[in-house]
Amino acid sequence: GESVGLHLPTLSVQEGDNSIINCAYSNSASDYFIWYKQESGKGPQFIIDIRSNMDKRQGQRVTVLLNKTVKHLSLQIAATQPGDSAVYFCAETFSGSARQLTFGSGTQLTVLP
Amino acid sequence: DGGITQSPKYLFRKEGQNVTLSCEQNLNHDAMYWYRQDPGQGLRLIYYSQIVNDFQKGDIAEGYSVSREKKESFPLTVTSAQKNPTAFYLCASSQLGDRPNYGYTFGSGTRLTVV
Repeated sequence: GESVGLHLPTLSVQEGDNSIINCAYSNSASDYFIWYKQESGKGPQFIIDIRSNMDKRQGQRVTVLLNKTVKHLSLQIAATQPGDSAVYFCAETFSGSARQLTFGSGTQLTVLP
Repeated sequence: DGGITQSPKYLFRKEGQNVTLSCEQNLNHDAMYWYRQDPGQGLRLIYYSQIVNDFQKGDIAEGYSVSREKKESFPLTVTSAQKNPTAFYLCASSQLGDRPNYGYTFGSGTRLTVV
């Protein structure tokens, strides 16, 4: 039978504050990482990516940080807005995997008014 | 517009019935994937296909079947052998080979409920 998965960790932040969502990845050979945003009842949407030859990449209101030493990825959202409420997934891949993505468990972000 | 389309958006299944979820993409992507998502949980891989007429089991393939007769289409059948099929099903596609972005494009999902 199927195993029951763990429920998502949650993060609640006040509107206007910065959010930091963390992800630990497992494979030291992974060389490309993505953050996805999934709103309720919808498919995941690409937010930002980073390659392993970088440790920081910035987008519009979002920044991804990569620490290869401890295999840790984080997504920072500046001035969090109600529309940022969603589940956020990290994903990793490496060249020997036919570029299949391995997804993290996800974090539910709730923005409080 | 290029994209990936899942249908139907909502599907109801009676006990013991097989149902098929549709996934079509016009992105000319080589690879297609099916994921299951239970409420408040992450994505679990059911099946994937990297080439027409070939597919591989994912982590939770039992009770599901797929076909890949055309590059654009990757339907998922939830069989009566799947005892707990109520979930949100996501289809995704990606190109293979070296490229700037290794991300998947996801469909908008099908919510399947057993009645």
